[in-house]
Amino acid sequence: QSALTQPASVSGSPGQSITISCTGTSSDVGSYNLVSWYQHHPGKAPKLIIYEDNKRPSGVSDRFSGSKSGNTASLTISGLQAEDEADYYCCSYSFAGSSSWVFGGGTKLTVL
Amino acid sequence: EVQLVESGGGLVQPGGSLRLSCAASGFTFSSYWMHWVRQVPGKGLMWVSRINSDGSSTYYADSVKGRFTISRDNAKNTLSLQMNSLRAEDTAVYYCARDWNDGFDYWGQGTLVTVSS
Repeated sequence: QSALTQPASVSGSPGQSITISCTGTSSDVGSYNLVSWYQHHPGKAPKLIIYEDNKRPSGVSDRFSGSKSGNTASLTISGLQAEDEADYYCCSYSFAGSSSWVFGGGTKLTVL
Repeated sequence: EVQLVESGGGLVQPGGSLRLSCAASGFTFSSYWMHWVRQVPGKGLMWVSRINSDGSSTYYADSVKGRFTISRDNAKNTLSLQMNSLRAEDTAVYYCARDWNDGFDYWGQGTLVTVSS
């Protein structure tokens, strides 16, 4: 149950776009469409922003988009806003061993 | 409105036990799988355990297998996590979360568990 790999931090200016990568293996990220992404403001409950690789839940801004290529998933946030500053986590169901879910280590987004 | 409210956290000595609860409201609790996810202070999220809708199937992360037990009471809309043989590395904020399409669409605010002598 190894964690998925994310960059520790990314930054961007208001209005710009940023992309956060999430690298796993063929047993998790690379299998089916089971990657989800979460926005987490410290002290608050995490919020689902992308599920099944690239779908947005109702109410989530279309500035958030997800994609995947092979064993790497990506989250893109366009038109950066101050309130986007938060920690972002990817997650995937894993077919390695017993049924489990694995998270990335998290990426701190700073809006400059 | 979907609400998940955790309780039961606190300070416990190494080797001790603690039982966490998660009160669910605003949705048909008995129709959803549920999870526990934890976050060590200053670190990332880690999936802990999952239970299916009727409680007949459970899964655990390797690090808690044999020590933690997830359960649910659909009549009381409550999810539980019994934690035994607690270790310092179990210190974390514990969140309950609702399963949706193999992701987690609603989360509680979390309850802090501190394992220390």
